[in-house]
Amino acid sequence: DQQVKQNSPSLSVQEGRISILNCDYTNSMFDYFLWYKKYPAEGPTFLISISSIKDKNEDGRFTVFLNKSAKHLSLHIVPSQPGDSAVYFCAASGSNYQLIWGAGTKLIIKP
Amino acid sequence: KAGVTQTPRYLIKTRGQQVTLSCSPISGHRSVSWYQQTPGQGLQFLFEYFSETQRNKGNFPGRFSGRQFSNSRSEMNVSTLELGDSALYLCASSQAGFDYGYTFGSGTRLTVV
Repeated sequence: DQQVKQNSPSLSVQEGRISILNCDYTNSMFDYFLWYKKYPAEGPTFLISISSIKDKNEDGRFTVFLNKSAKHLSLHIVPSQPGDSAVYFCAASGSNYQLIWGAGTKLIIKP
Repeated sequence: KAGVTQTPRYLIKTRGQQVTLSCSPISGHRSVSWYQQTPGQGLQFLFEYFSETQRNKGNFPGRFSGRQFSNSRSEMNVSTLELGDSALYLCASSQAGFDYGYTFGSGTRLTVV
């Protein structure tokens, strides 16, 4: 059973527009969420995180929103740039040091 | 500073063989985690080591094992390889756990034929 779901395998967005990547989770005990970006032939790199005590966290062009009642988080990238083309993973954790990962969403930024 | 180093980068093995993958974490990092990535499955957690002790383990069969040395370097071993073990194996290190930020290596691409 997938506790963290990224239902869109891929997403195509025009350069300069907003990219919105979504992630749903089922375990209400998750209290920490992270987004990672992965380029081909490289390991994932940390992008942004959010604790369950917050509903929003911002870092430059990247903002993560958390809706605990809906068990949903989203990553907004504004404006989208060609270098943002990558696979984005969301991950969640409770108190046991184990991260549960989604399957990833491939973001394609069109020029 | 040097990043997380995984060796080898690519590996081809035959069914039934065993394989050992190596991960050298960032200097000062004591936590090393291993993940398996297959298309459409995201990253599946294998295990985490902290100060030479396995702190957490995912839902993989006993054919998958690991260890961590006193210098925090870690190895992962897979015995009796199956075709389904073909994947990208990623290692991530952190100072003490994911909440301090994971740094991933580039992975070892294992192909079982």
